[in-house]
Amino acid sequence: EDQVTQSPEALRLQEGESSSLNCSYTVSGLRGLFWYRQDPGKGPEFLFTLYSAGEEKEKERLKATLTKKESFLHITAPKPEDSATYLCAVRTLTGNQFYFGTGTSLTVIP
Amino acid sequence: GAVVSQHPSRVICKSGTSVKIECRSLDFQATTMFWYRQFPKQSLMLMATSNEGSKATYEQGVEKDKFLINHASLTLSTLTVTSAHPEDSSFYICSARDRGGPLEAFFGQGTRLTVV
Repeated sequence: EDQVTQSPEALRLQEGESSSLNCSYTVSGLRGLFWYRQDPGKGPEFLFTLYSAGEEKEKERLKATLTKKESFLHITAPKPEDSATYLCAVRTLTGNQFYFGTGTSLTVIP
Repeated sequence: GAVVSQHPSRVICKSGTSVKIECRSLDFQATTMFWYRQFPKQSLMLMATSNEGSKATYEQGVEKDKFLINHASLTLSTLTVTSAHPEDSSFYICSARDRGGPLEAFFGQGTRLTVV
């Protein structure tokens, strides 16, 4: 069964304290892995798509990496405005669906 | 990125009435749109996949007669919650993929439905 697991469930960081969020996946065949950011009361905002193991993408303080079993979202020197829930999703080779993890709620304390 | 507009952002309705939520892709054509429901502090639960010009595909446990989905054009899908009850109160979100574009899906702003 296709599955996506995110850890930790919640993360509190001091401003400037770098860390990583994990997304582990078990799928029959990966077509793409996606990272989204969701603020309270809003729809998810697209961040990155990763297609194959070894791929990396960066945007400001965020860097996403992908292996054959998991993806990491690295946050370098976070700021309070980075506080949000970060969602990971995968799309398989068969079917149209996006399978979402339960998310990591990130709080960055000034 | 591509823009998906969802309307209304908030709606309060009386128990027993129906509510329609619209999802539009503003700058691209979407063959497929997805409807999700999200409970507080939980992830997205896929309700149905909406395909332009054909019947929606509902996930197991989602009542298709209660949550009516119509995808009449390549830029518009609607979700109608029929005979709403307080337990239908939730955050509903749509997403859409650009049929001619990359793999990722883009999300609407969400609709907070409260049934009183």
